[in-house]
Amino acid sequence: KQEVTQIPAALSVPEGENLVLNCSFTDSAIYNLQWFRQDPGKGLTSLLLIQSSQREQTSGRLNASLDKSSGRSTLYIAASQPGDSATYLCAVRKDSNYQLIWGAGTKLIIKP
Amino acid sequence: NAGVTQTPKFRILKIGQSMTLQCTQDMNHNYMYWYRQDPGMGLKLIYYSVGAGITDKGEVPNGYNVSRSTTEDFPLRLELAAPSQTSVYFCASSYSEGTRGNTIYFGEGSWLTVV
Repeated sequence: KQEVTQIPAALSVPEGENLVLNCSFTDSAIYNLQWFRQDPGKGLTSLLLIQSSQREQTSGRLNASLDKSSGRSTLYIAASQPGDSATYLCAVRKDSNYQLIWGAGTKLIIKP
Repeated sequence: NAGVTQTPKFRILKIGQSMTLQCTQDMNHNYMYWYRQDPGMGLKLIYYSVGAGITDKGEVPNGYNVSRSTTEDFPLRLELAAPSQTSVYFCASSYSEGTRGNTIYFGEGSWLTVV
């Protein structure tokens, strides 16, 4: 059974720092992996999607990497800003159906 | 742009009551989903639909029902509410198989408490 883990559950860093959020999954046979952002009281916004054949995706200050063999993905945020404060969730798609398997998220706080 | 709209935003139910969470999208998406998110946990898929008239169970369907009579609307029905159904519910939609790569759009969530 696929399980997705995000550690740490919470992270607080000063503004301007570069940081890495981690996502690990137990079954390497994934179709793709996605990173989402969730703001308090709001829905989720898709940030980056990495297909199983890809190693990384970039969008602005965000870079997501995927290492299927080790069951890991990282989300790198460069030059963090207070506006980056949110909960970041990763989700993997199982190979044979529509379901996304979700991590519990990392709550990120960027201190001004 | 409205996107995905859920109502109500907050609701308190008594055990055994029933209610319907409404979801509508104005993007002409054929795929729609209902998720629940418990505190400190990831989202779990309750039901999904690949088009009007077609629905299927997700990971945690027990205690819920859905219908999809139009492309725009995908209501979630809770029958005989139980405390275990206290959660935040998210409706989402996408053009096709969102989990294959097309962007999934989420509503802002519905906070449900069963007492």
